[in-house]
Amino acid sequence: ETVMTQSPLSLLVTPGEPASISCRSSQSVLHSNGNSYVDWYLQKPGQSPQLLMYLASIRASGVPARFTGSGSGTDFTLKISRVEADDVGIYYCMGALQTPTFGQGTRLEIK
Amino acid sequence: DVQLVQSGAEVKKPGESLKISCKGSGYIFTNYYIGWVRQVPGKGLEWVAMINPGDSDTRYSPSFQGHVTISADKSITTAYLQWSSLMASDTAMYYCARATIWFSGAFWGQGTQVTVSS
Repeated sequence: ETVMTQSPLSLLVTPGEPASISCRSSQSVLHSNGNSYVDWYLQKPGQSPQLLMYLASIRASGVPARFTGSGSGTDFTLKISRVEADDVGIYYCMGALQTPTFGQGTRLEIK
Repeated sequence: DVQLVQSGAEVKKPGESLKISCKGSGYIFTNYYIGWVRQVPGKGLEWVAMINPGDSDTRYSPSFQGHVTISADKSITTAYLQWSSLMASDTAMYYCARATIWFSGAFWGQGTQVTVSS
């Protein structure tokens, strides 16, 4: 079973500053079709998770351009260029091949 | 608009059976998989199972195989997750989600809280 490991597990960020979350997969999530099957989700307090990124780097509909996903194979990154108060919550990466597996989550809080 | 509307909160006793539901609307139900994800209070997300309502192709996490059953009725665009014998450790929020074949790009329902307590 693929293990997804996120770091850091918590972030305390000043509004307007950047933030970055790393996600490492224990096995490659690169499909033979050339796509890396990694999603990023944000679970805001008291809400269901919402899709931010799919196929590692494609922003979901309505997601601001200050969110960027990158990586391939086993190493992936979610970057927020300028954090806003509305970005508070827990960020999860998910490896979507074979048995879908989520990372432990990264809690983002505002200073 | 795409919507996934889940059934309401449940309180059950250990050993009882349960079936929770997830009704999809605003899209072609058979064009996407429906999956279920568990979230124990204060913990992370665990993928449980998924089904293609079109051809009933089903997949289970090894951690949940044999303990839950996923099903779908495409005539009423509804998917289900059921237990024949609940345990206290099944206490969690259960989310359904619409997704592609690899459970990528998921759109989530509002969640169903299941509480199992004697």
